[in-house]
Amino acid sequence: EADIYQTPRYLVIGTGKKITLECSQTMGHDKMYWYQQDPGMELHLIHYSYGVNSTEKGDLSSESTVSRIRTEHFPLTLESARPSHTSQYLCASSELRDRIQETQYFGPGTRLLVL
Amino acid sequence: AQSVTQLDSQVPVFEEAPVELRCNYSSSVSVYLFWYVQYPNQGLQLLLKYLSGSTLVKGINGFEAEFNKSQTSFHLRKPSVHISDTAEYFCAVRGFQKLVFGTGTRLLVSP
Repeated sequence: EADIYQTPRYLVIGTGKKITLECSQTMGHDKMYWYQQDPGMELHLIHYSYGVNSTEKGDLSSESTVSRIRTEHFPLTLESARPSHTSQYLCASSELRDRIQETQYFGPGTRLLVL
Repeated sequence: AQSVTQLDSQVPVFEEAPVELRCNYSSSVSVYLFWYVQYPNQGLQLLLKYLSGSTLVKGINGFEAEFNKSQTSFHLRKPSVHISDTAEYFCAVRGFQKLVFGTGTRLLVSP
């Protein structure tokens, strides 16, 4: 069972608010990811990290930002939430040396609703 | 570029019936394929993966998948489903530095 946690699980917030979605893993994985998931759509990679102080943008353009100050922690921040940000956000991690197998372990997700 | 296509958005079946969830891939390099399952209100969990070797891959919960290079397919099968198999199933292929996921297939198992 994966040890990767996301908080909050559900969040309803008004337009213009700043929010931070938390993601933590206790497996010591170097690589971490943020995906955006909408019903009937494929998962879109929005950010990833190879390790501390490493952050990269994914395929889907996102107004969010991420940071990686500690190996186990990979928070995602929206400076000013908008209704278009309403979605489910999934955090995942994998071992850096596991380049081929790329087994990613997922958190339970944060379901965000921006009013 | 790598991509996967899941042809069925939803598959309804009765309990104890067999099921096949279809996945076709496109890849210009070595192919590494995965099936993930997402139960309601949970994250994704790895079911099985194909890296090399035997084309028939067995996973957890009685699922298996067959890699078919000539048909560029990686269909997921289970001979007898349970109510608890109701979930969303995602096929994925390893791309450059990341996994590329399909749009998912919702498996609905009814009594």
